[in-house]
Amino acid sequence: QKEVEQDPGPLSVPEGAIVSLNCTYSNSAFQYFMWYRQYSRKGPELLMYTYSSGNKEDGRFTAQVDKSSKYISLFIRDSQPSDSATYLCAMSGWSSSASKIIFGSGTRLSIRP
Amino acid sequence: EPEVTQTPSHQVTQMGQEVILRCVPISNHLYFYWYRQILGQKVEFLVSFYNNEISEKSEIFDDQFSVERPDGSNFTLKIRSTKLEDSAMYFCASSSLAGASETQYFGPGTRLLVL
Repeated sequence: QKEVEQDPGPLSVPEGAIVSLNCTYSNSAFQYFMWYRQYSRKGPELLMYTYSSGNKEDGRFTAQVDKSSKYISLFIRDSQPSDSATYLCAMSGWSSSASKIIFGSGTRLSIRP
Repeated sequence: EPEVTQTPSHQVTQMGQEVILRCVPISNHLYFYWYRQILGQKVEFLVSFYNNEISEKSEIFDDQFSVERPDGSNFTLKIRSTKLEDSAMYFCASSSLAGASETQYFGPGTRLLVL
């Protein structure tokens, strides 16, 4: 079983739609959960960051973590063409030293005008 | 806004040649990382570095790879004898503090092509 699984898409939705992106994971040691956005040929850019279970909202973006199910989600409301990118879920475990991030394979999202 | 920078943006090399990829982390950051992304695959951790020492490395980071902080601003990744399978996008990242709770900021990447 892969450590982090993410549907690669592509996912295409009309402008204004609500987008739901998801990942599952197998390692119960993960404590920190992130969503990165990556435009073509660019580096990952941090969008959302949550610790442990629960919801976090930032503007049009909501991140959800369900540790009991080992499932995380990112919701994008009122999606815009500029949201078209690859979205990477990512996670890391508890550590007092420099910690590696484990990434999902990314979901390619396209918002149609 | 401070950012991580990487040079070169593209590098083409012959198999067996040495390459050095350069990164300038955000100035007050103390923890440095290299990741790579083979075309169409996920971003993979290579190595983390703190206080002039490797903190952790992955199985990918074998004896062909080395990292160095040669001065107060640069952080380099050296591949001694490149192989075809080293062709990938290489990302540098940095964070201000230790621990999984600290945000890692990524550079734009260097696209390495080994022929």
